[in-house]
Amino acid sequence: NAGVTQTPKFRVLKTGQSMTLLCAQDMNHEYMYWYRQDPGMGLRLIHYSVGEGTTAKGEVPDGYNVSRLKKQNFLLGLESAAPSQTSVYFCASSYGGLAGGFEQFFGPGTRLTVL
Amino acid sequence: GQQVMQIPQYQHVQEGEDFTTYCNSSTTLSNIQWYKQRPGGHPVFLIQLVKSGEVKKQKRLTFQFGEAKKNSSLHITATQTTDVGTYFCAGGNGGSQGNLIFGKGTKLSVKP
Repeated sequence: NAGVTQTPKFRVLKTGQSMTLLCAQDMNHEYMYWYRQDPGMGLRLIHYSVGEGTTAKGEVPDGYNVSRLKKQNFLLGLESAAPSQTSVYFCASSYGGLAGGFEQFFGPGTRLTVL
Repeated sequence: GQQVMQIPQYQHVQEGEDFTTYCNSSTTLSNIQWYKQRPGGHPVFLIQLVKSGEVKKQKRLTFQFGEAKKNSSLHITATQTTDVGTYFCAGGNGGSQGNLIFGKGTKLSVKP
């Protein structure tokens, strides 16, 4: 099992460009998440999904969109990148929700720089 | 909104010394999880605490959940260089569907 994989690993964008980050998991998890990690800020939830075809906003959703067309994939889109979106992006998945006490499995991250 | 505060932000210790990081929530938590992130790596789940006053141990690591379920701590006895990394607590209020609120983490460095 590969666990949670993310592509690409690194990306440099110019302001205004768009891109999509792909997250894939092979653990048959229902829940998937996108976080961003900035120095001294910890992990902040961008969007999440509680199942195929569902998405919901997290703590910092502005400037991002997501889609969960297949259970194993969760896509994060930046329509018009801004320098403030320079960050490390982590995808995570879990079998169930927090009420059930399920741990989250993280991908290796995507380092994005917006010039 | 719910906040999870974690202190200290940084901790430098000599190998063999003990280390503790503290986590405090502005609201009562349903449960709390702890994660470790090695330099350049991704967060990895360590443990979850659910019950008031719960204490769990993993070798040299001791995790506690406060009686009021608003605070938690991670204590490492006799640190080793392999303990280097950032330790995050993450709390949930039970009402969200799988959402965790992460603390900002404590970055531990260990001098051999």
